[in-house]
Amino acid sequence: QVQLVQSGSELKKPGASVKVSCKASGYTFTSYAMNWVRQAPGQGLEWMGWINTNTGNPTYAQGFTGRFVFSLDTSVSTAYLQISSLKAEDTAVYYCARDQHSSGWSPIDYWGQGTLVTVSS
Amino acid sequence: NFMLTQPHSVSESPGKTVTISCTGSSGSIASNYVQWYQQRPGSAPTTVIYEDNQRPSGVPDRFSGSIDSSSNSASLTISGLKTEDEADYYCQSYDSSRRVFGGGTKLTVL
Repeated sequence: QVQLVQSGSELKKPGASVKVSCKASGYTFTSYAMNWVRQAPGQGLEWMGWINTNTGNPTYAQGFTGRFVFSLDTSVSTAYLQISSLKAEDTAVYYCARDQHSSGWSPIDYWGQGTLVTVSS
Repeated sequence: NFMLTQPHSVSESPGKTVTISCTGSSGSIASNYVQWYQQRPGSAPTTVIYEDNQRPSGVPDRFSGSIDSSSNSASLTISGLKTEDEADYYCQSYDSSRRVFGGGTKLTVL
């Protein structure tokens, strides 16, 4: 069965970096696009962008350029989200979420369990 | 910028039917597919409706989706409400080259 298993919670200081992983299993990793979605405490879902798992080409939503980087290691079927120069407002749960197809513009069908990133001094 | 507007909260009794709306700010909501995601407290979202009215396997047929072009809205209808349906529900569609989520609706089943 399809599973997306994310890395555990992180506590970071402002200015530090964090790398969240999303390990996929149960399907051919490079055949389905991967999205990243942010949920700040008590808030709604916010789409951060997606990465083409076949080409490695990322697409970032407005507001998620510069400090946010999507990457892949296809040898271990894992997608990564790296955030640099962390700010308090980056405190949120980050979800990886698989597209139904490879295009990045189809419905999301599977979600990771989420990774809480807390930024605090 | 295109936005999707949902009611902040709705409530209904067990066994009843509830409908959650999702209104597009501009253009035609029928131009792009709408998805609905359920998020129970403390859990990750799951997909309950995709491509306007399709149910993933495992989602009961108590859940249905529709589009009303006259009001530029999508709707999620849940019939035969159960306490386990209590959750936040998010609609999602597309605008140009981005994915857009509605603000979410908290469904209380009491």
